[in-house]
Amino acid sequence: NAGVTQTPKFRILKIGQSMTLQCTQDMNHNYMYWYRQDPGMGLKLIYYSVGAGITDKGEVPNGYNVSRSTTEDFPLRLELAAPSQTSVYFCASSLRTENTEAFFGQGTRLTVV
Amino acid sequence: AQSVTQPDIHITVSEGASLELRCNYSYGATPYLFWYVQSPGQGLQLLLKYFSGDTLVQGIKGFEAEFKRSQSSFNLTKPSAHMSDAAEYFCAVGGWHNDMRFGAGTRLTVKP
Repeated sequence: NAGVTQTPKFRILKIGQSMTLQCTQDMNHNYMYWYRQDPGMGLKLIYYSVGAGITDKGEVPNGYNVSRSTTEDFPLRLELAAPSQTSVYFCASSLRTENTEAFFGQGTRLTVV
Repeated sequence: AQSVTQPDIHITVSEGASLELRCNYSYGATPYLFWYVQSPGQGLQLLLKYFSGDTLVQGIKGFEAEFKRSQSSFNLTKPSAHMSDAAEYFCAVGGWHNDMRFGAGTRLTVKP
């Protein structure tokens, strides 16, 4: 059972470049989330989705975009990379949004130079 | 708005010794509380959760946590630390994942 799979694991971007972080889950979860993890800051929610075609902003959405065309996939797009977006990004999914655990991918370490 | 404080950035214990990781939260209603563990290069894995009922919660890997409403705390404990427990631990509070707040994390080192 693969769970939540993120690609790539590592990436270096130049300022102004764009990229898409891929996330897919095979647990048929409706709810999916993108977090960023900065040292000493815990995890901050960037965007979330409650089902295919439905997305909403989290705590720190600026500079990012998402889409959810299928239940399985929830890609995160960075259009104009900035050094402030250097972080570790985690995708997660859950069966419901309340009273249940989230399953996390292994993360993508992104450096913007 | 809810928030979580993990007062200890780094804790070191000896193998076989007991350990306690502290978590204090702020939440307007009855909180849902979680402890996650992150091993190096890995995603977060749920250790245990509290929603209601018995305030002492058992988790995986021999961990447990006690919800103390009067102290707004949810501390994680284990009676005997193992080398494999070395990792980063995150406390989280919230009822809805889109409204969940994570603490900054506590890094646990276990000495032989």
